Amino acid sequence: QLQLQESGPRLVKPSETLSLTCTVSGASIITSSYYWGWIRQSPGKGLEWIGIIYYSGSAYYNPSLKSRVTISVDTSKNQFSLKLSSVTAADTSVYYCARQDGFTIRLGYFQHWGQGTLVTVSS
Amino acid sequence: QSLLTQPPSASGTPGQRVTISCSGSSSNIGSNTVNWYQQLPGTAPKLLIYSNNQRPSGVPDRFSGSKSGTSASLAISGLHSDDEADYYCAAWDDSLNGVIFGGGTKLTVL
Repeated sequence: QLQLQESGPRLVKPSETLSLTCTVSGASIITSSYYWGWIRQSPGKGLEWIGIIYYSGSAYYNPSLKSRVTISVDTSKNQFSLKLSSVTAADTSVYYCARQDGFTIRLGYFQHWGQGTLVTVSS
Repeated sequence: QSLLTQPPSASGTPGQRVTISCSGSSSNIGSNTVNWYQQLPGTAPKLLIYSNNQRPSGVPDRFSGSKSGTSASLAISGLHSDDEADYYCAAWDDSLNGVIFGGGTKLTVL
């Protein structure tokens, strides 16, 4: 049974880099047809797609965050990670990792989600 | 402001049928499939409908999705009190080259 678990610091200072890791269990991250992604949700707000990555390292990012975001994959640990630089209070959110299923990116959907982790940006 | 427009709220009484709309454009709904997510309070979103009208295993057939042109709808029949949640539509946008979510609709069961 596929499980995803986010981990990382819950408190980040303004201007610093937010770093989170998603550990995948119950399936290999080296699987064709799947992308691995990050989605966030500010308190009381809606969902915002951050980006997705294929096990080969090919990635797509939200244009509004692209200059600050890096998503990477570590196949040896069956993990993928998110780095968001120069954070501000506006980046305070619950961050979810998820697996994108579907035949292609354009037909993709997030069927498996982590429980989410609240990251607060504050000094 | 989201590229996918949903009503901020919807409501119904137990047993009733409600629909939630999602309006987009030719670069997203018009050319790609629509997915719907249910988010119960304090929990991660759950996939409810994928590929416009497909239900994942375990999702009751009370939930159905449809798409026409640049709009999509989620219908919930036989409303239950535990259907009270936030509902989000989502689709790939060819102009942004990424996934976009609707702003979400808060469903209240009266």
